[in-house]
Amino acid sequence: GAVVSQHPSRVICKSGTSVKIECRSLDFQATTMFWYRQFPKQSLMLMATSNEGSKATYEQGVEKDKFLINHASLTLSTLTVTSAHPEDSSFYICSATTGLSDDEQFFGPGTRLTVL
Amino acid sequence: QKEVEQDPGPLSVPEGAIVSLNCTYSNSAFQYFMWYRQYSRKGPELLMYTYSSGNKEDGRFTAQVDKSSKYISLFIRDSQPSDSATYLCAMRSGSGGYQKVTFGTGTKLQVIP
Repeated sequence: GAVVSQHPSRVICKSGTSVKIECRSLDFQATTMFWYRQFPKQSLMLMATSNEGSKATYEQGVEKDKFLINHASLTLSTLTVTSAHPEDSSFYICSATTGLSDDEQFFGPGTRLTVL
Repeated sequence: QKEVEQDPGPLSVPEGAIVSLNCTYSNSAFQYFMWYRQYSRKGPELLMYTYSSGNKEDGRFTAQVDKSSKYISLFIRDSQPSDSATYLCAMRSGSGGYQKVTFGTGTKLQVIP
């Protein structure tokens, strides 16, 4: 149980285009989803926390107009990187939790974004 | 000062060795302590999840938490080449939908056959 999937697993796009990444909880309802970014040889950095039906809460330094997050259902959250630039190339990982007090986060397999 | 400090390694050990991985932290609000294993270009996989100070054992893995010293450890016994990966410590404050997890930088481990 507690499987989280991401799609696509890898995407290459041209500078200036937008890219959408999907995160799905396959066998549980995720009231909260988290989006992380991981640059090479660095740790996971939290970008934003998304509660179903609410606006996402962004971490300091993360541009909410550039990284659009939608969490319209209990099993799906999307991250759209708008007007992507080469410096946005990174490994994007989502996680999900049911929102219970002691609940752990279940991580997706990640999406590798390369912006040319 | 970072909230979570972890030696990035790399750490190379022979097969069968006992591996010790460590992290220190500065935020007293952290309540849960986790260790994740991450293979190259994959999402992190939860190995151990602890709340209180003391030891927790699961197979070849033992997690140790010392809240008074703000220090956590992961021990791997009888290490195998398949254990070669990056090990991330992580610490959580808050709960439910208001939790926040802070990760260490990860220690890259290589177990040599």
